[in-house]
Amino acid sequence: DVKVTQSSRYLVKRTGEKVFLECVQDMDHENMFWYRQDPGLGLRLIYFSYDVKMKEKGDIPEGYSVSREKKERFSLILESASTNQTSMYLCASSSRQGGHSPLHFGNGTRLTVT
Amino acid sequence: AQTVTQSQPEMSVQEAETVTLSCTYDTSESDYYLFWYKQPPSRQMILVIRQEAYKQQNATENRFSVNFQKAAKSFSLKISDSQLGDAAMYFCAYRSDYMNRDDKIIFGKGTRLHILP
Repeated sequence: DVKVTQSSRYLVKRTGEKVFLECVQDMDHENMFWYRQDPGLGLRLIYFSYDVKMKEKGDIPEGYSVSREKKERFSLILESASTNQTSMYLCASSSRQGGHSPLHFGNGTRLTVT
Repeated sequence: AQTVTQSQPEMSVQEAETVTLSCTYDTSESDYYLFWYKQPPSRQMILVIRQEAYKQQNATENRFSVNFQKAAKSFSLKISDSQLGDAAMYFCAYRSDYMNRDDKIIFGKGTRLHILP
């Protein structure tokens, strides 16, 4: 089974801090994604990556950056955390072998910015 | 651009009954995949069922089945014999099957399903 591991389940940070959310997958998937989940808004794509060192902006990239130095690891960075970035963050990965490949999700990180 | 709409933010069903969650989507593409994902209160999202647009036969996975109406761009999920463990947020999702397209997957806003004992 594919395992996608997010380093923290819960995180509390102060406004202005630099925040790193880490995600690791163990199935050699090409694609990795960061989503933000908020009540009533569903899942919104922040960034995704289809290869090492490659990244593409999603629907809401403002205030975020990403890093993919190794195939298995995809990091989400909040350069200067703000209270409106309090949310649930979900990492996912998938194979690039056709549209039938489903996403495999991590457990999520609940980030609170105070 | 493709869109996915789930018109029911919340639903309830009695245990052992059948419930249908609706999903509509908009696309100009002919080749794509549709998914239903389940997110239980423990939060990890898992795949429930998948449908290839080129297949006319509706996908089935045990108690879960879909009603795929390609012309109407409708993709509903039917859960038979509902169980307490089916309580979750359910997301409908669309993925293009075209090569050279980015691999973004488009999600609906979700339907929270309550199971009444």
